Amino acid sequence: QKEVEQNSGPLSVPEGAIASLNCTYSDRGSQSFFWYRQYSGKSPELIMSIYSNGDKEDGRFTAQLNKASQYVSLLIRDSQPSDSATYLCAPEGEKAAGNKLTFGGGTRVLVKP
Amino acid sequence: GAGVSQSPRYKVAKRGQDVALRCDPISGHVSLFWYQQALGQGPEFLTYFQNEAQLDKSGLPSDRFFAERPEGSVSTLKIQRTQQEDSAVYLCASSFRGAGNTIYFGEGSWLTVV
Repeated sequence: QKEVEQNSGPLSVPEGAIASLNCTYSDRGSQSFFWYRQYSGKSPELIMSIYSNGDKEDGRFTAQLNKASQYVSLLIRDSQPSDSATYLCAPEGEKAAGNKLTFGGGTRVLVKP
Repeated sequence: GAGVSQSPRYKVAKRGQDVALRCDPISGHVSLFWYQQALGQGPEFLTYFQNEAQLDKSGLPSDRFFAERPEGSVSTLKIQRTQQEDSAVYLCASSFRGAGNTIYFGEGSWLTVV
């Protein structure tokens, strides 16, 4: 079992709809969680971070965290064609391990006009 | 510089050739990470430096891979006797400190071994 699991997609959503991305992780010691967006041929860029159980909203993005279920999700509201990219879930490791990020395989999102 | 800088951006190497990939992190960033990303996959951790100390090299796939950061700033990832399976994008990232701080990625070095 991989440490971080994501549905590879593609997740196809019509413009204006909500895209819902899910991620499960195996390391119960993870305290911080990050969502990165990666356009084709580009490097990952941070779009959301979440540290506490519950929801965190930032613009059109909402991250949800449930540490008991080892589950983190990302909602993209009012999806735009510019949101078409691969979204990477990354729990942060323990401090003793350098807080390195362990990435999932990513979910490819396609927003159709 | 304003961001993490990597060079070369693109490298084609013949199988068996040695390559060196350079990373210049954001000024003042203590933590530096190297990741390997194969086509269609998420980035895979290779190694981590805190200043000049290599604290974690558990992700290096073989002893052909070697990384250094002698003065705690610029880092070099060296791959000896390259193999086709080494073809990937090598991403360097840095952060002020590891714990909960934003990690910034460079544009990557695209390595193709032929």
